[in-house]
Amino acid sequence: GENVGLHLPTLSVQEGDNSIINCAYSNSASDYFIWYKQESGKGPQFIIDIRSNMDKRQGQRVTVLLNKTVKHLSLQIAATQPGDSAVYFCAENMKTTNTGNQFYFGTGTSLTVIP
Amino acid sequence: SQTIHQWPATLVQPVGSPLSLECTVEGTSNPNLYWYRQAAGRGLQLLFYSVGIGQISSEVPQNLSASRPQDRQFILSSKKLLLSDSGFYLCAWSAPRGYANYGYTFGSGTRLTVV
Repeated sequence: GENVGLHLPTLSVQEGDNSIINCAYSNSASDYFIWYKQESGKGPQFIIDIRSNMDKRQGQRVTVLLNKTVKHLSLQIAATQPGDSAVYFCAENMKTTNTGNQFYFGTGTSLTVIP
Repeated sequence: SQTIHQWPATLVQPVGSPLSLECTVEGTSNPNLYWYRQAAGRGLQLLFYSVGIGQISSEVPQNLSASRPQDRQFILSSKKLLLSDSGFYLCAWSAPRGYANYGYTFGSGTRLTVV
């Protein structure tokens, strides 16, 4: 089941440095992955996604890497800014049913940017 | 464009009182709808999901219930709140089968404190 009972891992980085947030997913059949950013008191917001036929995808200051061999997903944030401080969740498309997609969310990582 | 509305933003309720949280989606038809709960510093716990009017699936046995009286309306309820019901409640929607895998879009959340 989802790791909802665990305290969030934390990561602290200096402003301007690059951040790397890691996620291990569980289902080798998952074919679609999303990274979400959740600021304090707000709902998670979509950052970037990647399909299983890719191993890298770049956005604005963010890059997602997918290693299907070890079922590992990472989010890289370049030149981290104070506004990047948030909790980051990875989500994997666990299954596509006859009604739509269902996603499994990782534990989340709390990123703190030090000015 | 699609939007999701969730209210109220904050709520303080006494133990034993009823609860009703509402979520509505605009700009799409036949969405899949979800209720999540998030304890402080924890991950996302799926409570209920719905693939259509009157169709509710419960993921976790609990003191809560959900209803979907209209296509784009999802309600989370309780007859008698417990202290353990405190948390951050998030509503989300996703596209039904046949649409691209765009994942979940979350509402802004409701902070519930049971006292």
